[in-house]
Amino acid sequence: AQKITQTQPGMFVQEKEAVTLDCTYDTSDPSYGLFWYKQPSSGEMIFLIYQGSYDQQNATEGRYSLNFQKARKSANLVISASQLGDSAMYFCAMREYNNNDMRFGAGTRLTVKP
Amino acid sequence: EPEVTQTPSHQVTQMGQEVILRCVPISNHLYFYWYRQILGQKVEFLVSFYNNEISEKSEIFDDQFSVERPDGSNFTLKIRSTKLEDSAMYFCASSLSGSSYTQYFGPGTRLTVL
Repeated sequence: AQKITQTQPGMFVQEKEAVTLDCTYDTSDPSYGLFWYKQPSSGEMIFLIYQGSYDQQNATEGRYSLNFQKARKSANLVISASQLGDSAMYFCAMREYNNNDMRFGAGTRLTVKP
Repeated sequence: EPEVTQTPSHQVTQMGQEVILRCVPISNHLYFYWYRQILGQKVEFLVSFYNNEISEKSEIFDDQFSVERPDGSNFTLKIRSTKLEDSAMYFCASSLSGSSYTQYFGPGTRLTVL
């Protein structure tokens, strides 16, 4: 069964600094995708970044990068040059190739300090 | 940029009443999903839908729930007889195909059952 673990309920970062949000996962399926979503206080879920299990390189999208360590089953999100607008809940999620459902972690609340 | 839309943004109903939550997925997407998020908790998968039938559902998706694609654009979630514990944010999502991992979420409908 899929399981996603985010061990940091809350994180603080100074504006313009980088921050890493942790995510570990557990699956027996060799084919899967890992995702990060941002949920601001307004409630919507915003897709940030995707990493496939067979991708050789870490995914990057602008200021977001995913530190994918397959052997450790970790998929940490790195946000560089934090901005005040980055303050939000961040959810790590995984989808196995043979399943349609996406399983989410409990989330990390990031607060960016000016 | 195309996006998933949901209506209403907030629905208040009395316990025992039926509610229908509406979604318009991204137009060329073929797979549709419903998730829910109870306040302060993680996002949970409810159901996936493809080719006019349910392809997968979770244990949460019991006989009180149903989904339908009544026309070429709308995708609905019906809760037949709402309970207090159905109060949550309900997210619709869509993806281009089953092998396309990324699911794009709508802004959500906040359901409050009194």
